[in-house]
Amino acid sequence: SQTIHQWPATLVQPVGSPLSLECTVEGTSNPNLYWYRQAAGRGLQLLFYSVGIGQISSEVPQNLSASRPQDRQFILSSKKLLLSDSGFYLCAWTTPRTGGLASYEQYFGPGTRLTVT
Amino acid sequence: GNSVTQMEGPVTLSEEAFLTINCTYTATGYPSLFWYVQYPGEGLQLLLKATKADDKGSNKGFEATYRKETTSFHLEKGSVQVSDSAVYFCALRNSGGYQKVTFGTGTKLQVIP
Repeated sequence: SQTIHQWPATLVQPVGSPLSLECTVEGTSNPNLYWYRQAAGRGLQLLFYSVGIGQISSEVPQNLSASRPQDRQFILSSKKLLLSDSGFYLCAWTTPRTGGLASYEQYFGPGTRLTVT
Repeated sequence: GNSVTQMEGPVTLSEEAFLTINCTYTATGYPSLFWYVQYPGEGLQLLLKATKADDKGSNKGFEATYRKETTSFHLEKGSVQVSDSAVYFCALRNSGGYQKVTFGTGTKLQVIP
C-alpha cells in the first residue's frame, strides 16, 4: 500500500532563517506531487506541483521554492522565512494520468505545522 | 476557471441531528468531485468521491450525489456524532491538465453531545 510521510511534524523558526520541509511517498512510482499551505482557519492554497523529477510548477509567486531530486521525494524550501510563511504545510500525491475516467484523487500527508517568530 | 463554493461555517449541530453541507462548483467538461475531511491537527482524508453525473459517493454514513444539472455535490449524513466534528472540504478535479484539484474553503462542523 502507498504511504506518504512528512517531516518535521512541527517547526518553530525565526524570521530570516532558512527552511526545508521534506515529503516522501512509498509504494508508488512516478507520482504527481503537490505542496499546499493552509493558513489558520483558511482553505488550501496550492503552492507547487511536480509531474516528474526536476519538473516544478509554481502556482503563486512567493518566498518559497520546491525541488524534486528523486522520483518520490518533494522538498519545500526558503532562504529567508517571513512571518507570513507561518501555516500548515501539506504534501499530497496522486497517480500520474494514464487516460480513462479514473478519479485520481489526491492523498495527503500528515502535514507540518510551521510557526515563524 | 474552476471554482468550488461551500457554505460558510462553522456549523453547530446536536448529536444525532441531520447534516447538510452545501457545495456548488464551476468547471468545464466533466470533473470528478470529492469530499475530504480534516480532523484537528491532521492532514486531509478522502471521505467520498463521484466521477460522473448522478453518481452517489458514500462512506461512514456520509453521502453526496453528483448533480450536473445544478452543479452541486452536497454532503449529507442522517445522524451525526461528536466524532464527526472536523473541517469538510469539497473539491473537484477536471479531466485535463496535471490533475490539479480545486478545493473549497472548508466548512467546520462542530457536533455537541
